[in-house]
Amino acid sequence: GESVGLHLPTLSVQEGDNSIINCAYSNSASDYFIWYKQESGKGPQFIIDIRSNMDKRQGQRVTVLLNKTVKHLSLQIAATQPGDSAVYFCAENRWDNQGGKLIFGQGTELSVKP
Amino acid sequence: GAGVSQSPSNKVTEKGKDVELRCDPISGHTALYWYRQSLGQGLEFLIYFQGNSAPDKSGLPSDRFSAERTGGSVSTLTIQRTQQEDSAVYLCASSLGGSRGGPTIFGPGTRLTVL
Repeated sequence: GESVGLHLPTLSVQEGDNSIINCAYSNSASDYFIWYKQESGKGPQFIIDIRSNMDKRQGQRVTVLLNKTVKHLSLQIAATQPGDSAVYFCAENRWDNQGGKLIFGQGTELSVKP
Repeated sequence: GAGVSQSPSNKVTEKGKDVELRCDPISGHTALYWYRQSLGQGLEFLIYFQGNSAPDKSGLPSDRFSAERTGGSVSTLTIQRTQQEDSAVYLCASSLGGSRGGPTIFGPGTRLTVL
């Protein structure tokens, strides 16, 4: 079936280290992906997106990599800070003739140790 | 407004009662979505509206769930005869829609507790 999933449910890193969160998708027709950060008690917050005509996109301290060959997506956070502790979701936009809807994976909980 | 707003932020109800959850999307966003998130879980798609098109209701779990969007803006999600398994955070989101519509922006959610 079609799904978006994450390889690791939890990730613990030392403050200042780089974090890498992975995501696999199975729908080869997907052409738009988004990473969200969700802190406890809040709604998901947009971090960065990428379209399938790109394989890398950078933001402030974050980089998203897309490997369409193996249908893999990753989020890299540089110099991880305690404020980065949250659950991170990747989402795949399933297009239809109206626009599309996001299909989410289960999430990876990032814990940053001071 | 500047973001997606939802009300109430918390709702406690008794099993069997009906509830209405409200969402105010970002002004100008033509697409509006409802998701449900159970404790410690991912986001489950419920329904989405795009402009004047018929909504995609494919994610609604039962006929006790319904949603409407009036005037292309505010949306209400209604759950009739609530059950304990309906307890979750209900998230609303909006976007510009279309194939180049940009990211979907989420509201803070309504936490529903059914006793």
